[in-house]
Amino acid sequence: DVKVTQSSRYLVKRTGEKVFLECVQDMDHENMFWYRQDPGLGLRLIYFSYDVKMKEKGDIPEGYSVSREKKERFSLILESASTNQTSMYLCASSPPGGGYGYTFGSGTRLTVV
Amino acid sequence: KNEVEQSPQNLTAQEGEFITINCSYSVGISALHWLQQHPGGGIVSLFMLSSGKKKHGRLIATINIQEKHSSLHITASHPRDSAVYICAVRAGNQFYFGTGTSLTVIP
Repeated sequence: DVKVTQSSRYLVKRTGEKVFLECVQDMDHENMFWYRQDPGLGLRLIYFSYDVKMKEKGDIPEGYSVSREKKERFSLILESASTNQTSMYLCASSPPGGGYGYTFGSGTRLTVV
Repeated sequence: KNEVEQSPQNLTAQEGEFITINCSYSVGISALHWLQQHPGGGIVSLFMLSSGKKKHGRLIATINIQEKHSSLHITASHPRDSAVYICAVRAGNQFYFGTGTSLTVIP
């Protein structure tokens, strides 16, 4: 059973903290993605990666960075958390070209207070 | 401007009803995905389409490439079908998402 695992389901952090969201996939997928989901706005792409040590900005990269040191792990970093980063964060992975292998994690609901 | 538009935004149905959710898009695509998100937040990929029609159990997805339109149908709906259904299209290396259709099926 293929899986994308996000390390936390719920997280509460204080304004200004550095926050790490971890995502691990066991499908040997090249592509990994970080999205945030907000009511009325749908899913928006923050960053994606097509290979180890490679990253590309998505639609809303400001205030975020990512790290992909190993193929199976893609980390999203909030350098200095702010209240407007309170959201549901979803990680996904896919093989090259997408297709059926586009698999999401179960999400991390982050609240910044 | 949204590249992907879904309708309706919210839908309530009685158990057993036939349900249709629509998706229109404005970009050239290589594939269209229908995703299902349950209240807990996890998302499951239901279908990937590049042409025609696919069926899985009570779910049917169709796409008309010329009209840039796709529909997701649920036959004999059941309360466990209650979820948010999201249309997503792949255009090159970009994914564009609809804002989702929230479906509630009442027993």
